[in-house]
Amino acid sequence: AQSVTQLDSHVSVSEGTPVLLRCNYSSSYSPSLFWYVQHPNKGLQLLLKYTSAATLVKGINGFEAEFKKSETSFHLTKPSAHMSDAAEYFCVVIHMNTGFQKLVFGTGTRLLVSP
Amino acid sequence: GAGVSQSPSNKVTEKGKDVELRCDPISGHTALYWYRQSLGQGLEFLIYFQGNSAPDKSGLPSDRFSAERTGGSVSTLTIQRTQQEDSAVYLCASSLQGGFGNQPQHFGDGTRLSIL
Repeated sequence: AQSVTQLDSHVSVSEGTPVLLRCNYSSSYSPSLFWYVQHPNKGLQLLLKYTSAATLVKGINGFEAEFKKSETSFHLTKPSAHMSDAAEYFCVVIHMNTGFQKLVFGTGTRLLVSP
Repeated sequence: GAGVSQSPSNKVTEKGKDVELRCDPISGHTALYWYRQSLGQGLEFLIYFQGNSAPDKSGLPSDRFSAERTGGSVSTLTIQRTQQEDSAVYLCASSLQGGFGNQPQHFGDGTRLSIL
C-alpha cells in the first residue's frame, strides 16, 4: 500500500529564511505525490503535484519540491519564508489500487514563521 | 468562479442526534469526495462519488454514516445517532474527472462538527 511519512510535526523558521518540510513515501508503483496547505479554519489548497514528469516540481507561492526515487523523498522547499506561509502542510500520495484518486495523507507539518 | 461550498460551517449538537452535512461541488465536477479530519486520526478518506454513484465507500467508519449525491451535484453526508468520537472537521472535495484523471481535488472549507 502507498503511504507517506512527514518527519517533522512542527518546523519553525524566521521570516526571510529558507523552508524545508520533509516527506518520505512508500509505494510499490511510481507514485503520484502532492503537497497541500491548510490555513486555519480553511480547506486544503493544492501547492504542487508530481506525476512522473519532471522531478523538480514548481508550485504556487514560490514553493517547489524534488522527487528523489533513490531516497524515496519528496521534500517541500521555499527559498525565503513569508509570514503568510504559516500554516499546516500535508504530503499526500494517491492510493493506486482503487481506480480513482484516493488520497492518503501524511500527519501534517505545522510551519511557524517568526518576524 | 465559485469553489466547493460546504454548509453549515459549524454544527454543535447533542449526542444521539442525527446531523446532515452538505457539499456543493464546483459546477461540472463529476467526482466528489468526503474526508474527515480529527485530532486523533488525521485526515481520512470517507467516500467517493462518480456522478451519483459511490464506487468506494470503504472509509465510512460505521453504518451510522451514509452519504448520497443527487443530480450529479450536491452531496449530503448524514450521521445518525451521533457519538462524541464523531466530533471532527468534515471536508468535501471535487474534481473534474473521476478515475486517475490528472485533475486535482479542490476542497471546501469544511464543516466543524462538535458533539456534546
